[in-house]
Amino acid sequence: ILNVEQSPQSLHVQEGDSTNFTCSFPSSNFYALHWYRWETAKSPEALFVMTLNGDEKKKGRISATLNTKEGYSYLYIKGSQPEDSATYLCARGGDDYKLSFGAGTTVTVRA
Amino acid sequence: GAGVSQSPRYKVTKRGQDVALRCDPISGHVSLYWYRQALGQGPEFLTYFNYEAQQDKSGLPNDRFSAERPEGSISTLTIQRTEQRDSAMYRCASSTGQRHSPLHFGNGTRLTVT
Repeated sequence: ILNVEQSPQSLHVQEGDSTNFTCSFPSSNFYALHWYRWETAKSPEALFVMTLNGDEKKKGRISATLNTKEGYSYLYIKGSQPEDSATYLCARGGDDYKLSFGAGTTVTVRA
Repeated sequence: GAGVSQSPRYKVTKRGQDVALRCDPISGHVSLYWYRQALGQGPEFLTYFNYEAQQDKSGLPNDRFSAERPEGSISTLTIQRTEQRDSAMYRCASSTGQRHSPLHFGNGTRLTVT
């Protein structure tokens, strides 16, 4: 993998259901993996920063895992609520300090 | 305290004109990043600074784009001889400079070149 890739591009979830989606990234010269939540007409807000293989982070109903050896991270939303509707961006930081972003996964939670 | 401030929020300019976009980072933040974001896409890296030093400008599309941060605080992104393809949201972000610290984004400048 040469770039940061996120899949799926978009997904629709029924309120109360759980969901997850993927961020894939180059594993060489890796330093950190960031997740951001971005609501329309606002600026992205940081959710998690993970650096170690096997890291798991949790914030309320949202959690994330990291596999640096194979170059992927999962973001999980448990019991989705309408306020979880947003675009979730991941970004990879390497030895060069540059953060490269994926195109995002847009989550729409239907009531 | 105050977040990252960008000005102007909106800029409409005619093709061929120069524009200057300003970013005022969170006080004390060492690192400052510029990103460009097209509709429906994630932020695309342009350049970043540690203090006043421009560490990486590999994302600047061509030599019409330049950025400076002369005193290690406020930064200006300048686009000379604007073209329609330069139309986008330009976002600035700052961080403490520690490698595990998250970025704090400004609200962006929406640039439209007519």
